[in-house]
Amino acid sequence: GQQVMQIPQYQHVQEGEDFTTYCNSSTTLSNIQWYKQRPGGHPVFLIQLVKSGEVKKQKRLTFQFGEAKKNSSLHITATQTTDVGTYFCAGPFRGNNDMRFGAGTRLTVKP
Amino acid sequence: NAGVTQTPKFRILKIGQSMTLQCTQDMNHNYMYWYRQDPGMGLKLIYYSVGAGITDKGEVPNGYNVSRSTTEDFPLRLELAAPSQTSVYFCACSSPTGNTIYFGEGSWLTVV
Repeated sequence: GQQVMQIPQYQHVQEGEDFTTYCNSSTTLSNIQWYKQRPGGHPVFLIQLVKSGEVKKQKRLTFQFGEAKKNSSLHITATQTTDVGTYFCAGPFRGNNDMRFGAGTRLTVKP
Repeated sequence: NAGVTQTPKFRILKIGQSMTLQCTQDMNHNYMYWYRQDPGMGLKLIYYSVGAGITDKGEVPNGYNVSRSTTEDFPLRLELAAPSQTSVYFCACSSPTGNTIYFGEGSWLTVV
């Protein structure tokens, strides 16, 4: 069945370093979403990408959707301790209501 | 505007017991979901609903049941609790026009 794979599983960085997480789908996606979950919290929507090759920025966060719409990435420039958490990508499976999540990348930031 | 409200927040069940996780939303969204998240893992879709009276299975529906009698409520029923159902359960909703999924704060369930 369709899967959304994320790498790496864990990433530990020094504050100020950059961070990137990658998401790959076994099939073409109509859209991809990114969520952030703080420790002990619930996932919070960050962004949705729809177009092939789309790039969106939110302050220090840059999101990309691949040309083939099968992969995506989230890049954080100059990480801060507030960036700590797990970042998930999610893509629709059977229609836009059946959203499947990747296993997430857990980011820790050392001050 | 509370968003998505789940109860209870914490619960310990014995093997074989039954319980219902309650979920209600005041966002007037048609779509609702139940996900489970095992420790250190991603979210797995259990069931979802596109409107009152309509439910559909997700990735991991076995051992669970749902109903959707109103737009606001989407309870999740565990009939015979098993240790494998120890997890954090998230209820969520979204609108048909925007795909953003809004999550509740989660229900921590332990089956012993």
